[in-house]
Amino acid sequence: GAVVSQHPSRVICKSGTSVKIECRSLDFQATTMFWYRQFPKKSLMLMATSNEGSKATYEQGVEKDKFLINHASLTLSTLTVTSAHPEDSSFYICSARDRVNEAFFGQGTRLTVV
Amino acid sequence: DAKTTQPTSMDCAEGRAANLPCNHSTISGNEYVYWYRQIHSQGPQYIIHGLKNNETNEMASLIITEDRKSSTLILPHATLRDTAVYYCIVRASNFGNEKLTFGTGTRLTIIP
Repeated sequence: GAVVSQHPSRVICKSGTSVKIECRSLDFQATTMFWYRQFPKKSLMLMATSNEGSKATYEQGVEKDKFLINHASLTLSTLTVTSAHPEDSSFYICSARDRVNEAFFGQGTRLTVV
Repeated sequence: DAKTTQPTSMDCAEGRAANLPCNHSTISGNEYVYWYRQIHSQGPQYIIHGLKNNETNEMASLIITEDRKSSTLILPHATLRDTAVYYCIVRASNFGNEKLTFGTGTRLTIIP
């Protein structure tokens, strides 16, 4: 299947700093990417839908000014957690749709804010 | 998306077939049944999907009841590496920008 790569896989940052997570579709073009977060022993919760060349659509309760999403090309979407706090510590996962609309997931990024 | 119901957890002996049930009684005619799994600390992995016919691939088989209100994912010879959370999701055929909604899934533990 198609490959979606996330970077970094793990990051530790200080409270108040910003962290950028990249999601790349390596062998296909993805007009739509999705960002999820997952707390321990919980299911994936959709945060936002990222569309190439336009503004992201955020789910209810997700602060768009805190979780900045940029989808500048057909193979790259980025999620920036701004002014991170310990409660933002979580597992962040991206997903990309290929041309037949199948969804493939990145390996996830574990963010720890200290 | 139609809601799905899955058992919270299941155990299966290594080498045996693992049968994971899913109820989707409100599924509509154009919705497919998809299965993903998530191994600890990794992103979800696509397994298989189907509309109304049974499907088989190199990973698993999917059995969908005639009324489409339930399905069963079968891992024919479970190995320890199959220990994961398995998610059953229904989604429309006209995907567009449709998002995937994950339920709580079934935590499958393969026992040596």
